[in-house]
Amino acid sequence: EIVLTQSPGTLSLSPGERATLSCRASQSVSSSYLAWYQQKPGQAPRLLIYGASSRATAIPDRFSGSGSGTDFTLTISRLEPEDFAVYYCQQYGSGLGTFGQGTKVEIK
Amino acid sequence: EVQLVQSGAEVKKPGESLKISCKGSGYSFTSHWIGWVRQMPGKGLEWMGIIYPGDSDTRYSPSFQGQVTISADKSISTAYLQWSSLKASDTAMYYCARLVFILKWGMDVWGQGTTVTVSS
Repeated sequence: EIVLTQSPGTLSLSPGERATLSCRASQSVSSSYLAWYQQKPGQAPRLLIYGASSRATAIPDRFSGSGSGTDFTLTISRLEPEDFAVYYCQQYGSGLGTFGQGTKVEIK
Repeated sequence: EVQLVQSGAEVKKPGESLKISCKGSGYSFTSHWIGWVRQMPGKGLEWMGIIYPGDSDTRYSPSFQGQVTISADKSISTAYLQWSSLKASDTAMYYCARLVFILKWGMDVWGQGTTVTVSS
């Protein structure tokens, strides 16, 4: 089972600042089957990025993903008030998926 | 509109059985895997397992193998998650979500979640 480790656990930033979230896998993620989700309190998660770098439908272009193999990054270029939330990475391979433990992006 | 609608909140006692549901609409239910995800209070997301409703092929995360049963009834476009004997530690929010191959197995549509509370 691939273990995903996200860092930092919490990111304290101000609106307008850039957020950089990391997701490291314990072994290589096949075919870049790596996704990022946003979850706000009381809501279901929302798909932001799939295939490590492709934005899902209706996701603003301030969200971008990069990386391959074992190291992946989610970048939010300029934080909007609605972006303060918890972000999870998730990988899929051979019928089994795992999530990272999450990074909370909070208002400084 | 593509959506997954889950059954309502449940309050159960330890040792009781439970089956919660996830009904898909607006797309070909038999053509996409459905996954189940657990979120314990104040905690992160955990992958439980997936099912392909077209043929009921099912895969479980090792942590959940033998603890729950995932099934589907394609005739009514519904997937299920069930327990034969609940424990207090099963208290959590449970989400179903659609996995899409062309999105590199991203989960693009999510149910609203079902809260399960297990308490004596």
